[in-house]
Amino acid sequence: DAMVIQNPRYQVTQFGKPVTLSCSQTLNHNVMYWYQQKSSQAPKLLFHYYDKDFNNEADTPDNFQSRRPNTSFCFLDIRSPGLGDAAMYLCATSRDRAEDTQYFGPGTRLTVL
Amino acid sequence: QQQVKQSPQSLIVQKGGISIINCAYENTAFDYFPWYQQFPGKGPALLIAIRPDVSEKKEGRFTISFNKSAKQFSLHIMDSQPGDSATYFCAASGNTPLVFGKGTRLSVIA
Repeated sequence: DAMVIQNPRYQVTQFGKPVTLSCSQTLNHNVMYWYQQKSSQAPKLLFHYYDKDFNNEADTPDNFQSRRPNTSFCFLDIRSPGLGDAAMYLCATSRDRAEDTQYFGPGTRLTVL
Repeated sequence: QQQVKQSPQSLIVQKGGISIINCAYENTAFDYFPWYQQFPGKGPALLIAIRPDVSEKKEGRFTISFNKSAKQFSLHIMDSQPGDSATYFCAASGNTPLVFGKGTRLSVIA
């Protein structure tokens, strides 16, 4: 089945130790998104790619970076995780325009010790 | 103006009852209004969506009612079941990424 896959599902890192989360999709969608979701809160958009065009949200900390080497893969790099970065990180895709239906992956739960 | 206000924050409904969640927006450029369902530990999944050219859309037990003049839309879950217990997010967009409401935690009790 076509889907959005996130790895790993659970990630534990130490304070300040860089971490990379990955997302892959078999939907061949042009747009890929990264969201941060904390407990009992709505997903918060960090950035998105429209094809290779990177769009950063104004309030996304510089600590968060992203790479999209090809259509299928997108990575979230957290350069120096703080305790406040512990959250669920969700990857999503949409076919074309930014407002098309978004398909979410299962998420990666990040713990920072 | 980019906000979507969602209420209530939490909702308890008896099995077989009707669950109603409301959302309001201000940005008149919004033209796509989806509802997402999220179970604990899972990513959100699209439940149903509407565009402003219709006032209501029904899919099974789920109905979106849309009031363009009031800038409000709501989700109705008929014959609510314990398996519907989840967090529901409304969202809106208009040539922009989705803007999410803060979510409603629904508990359906037997």
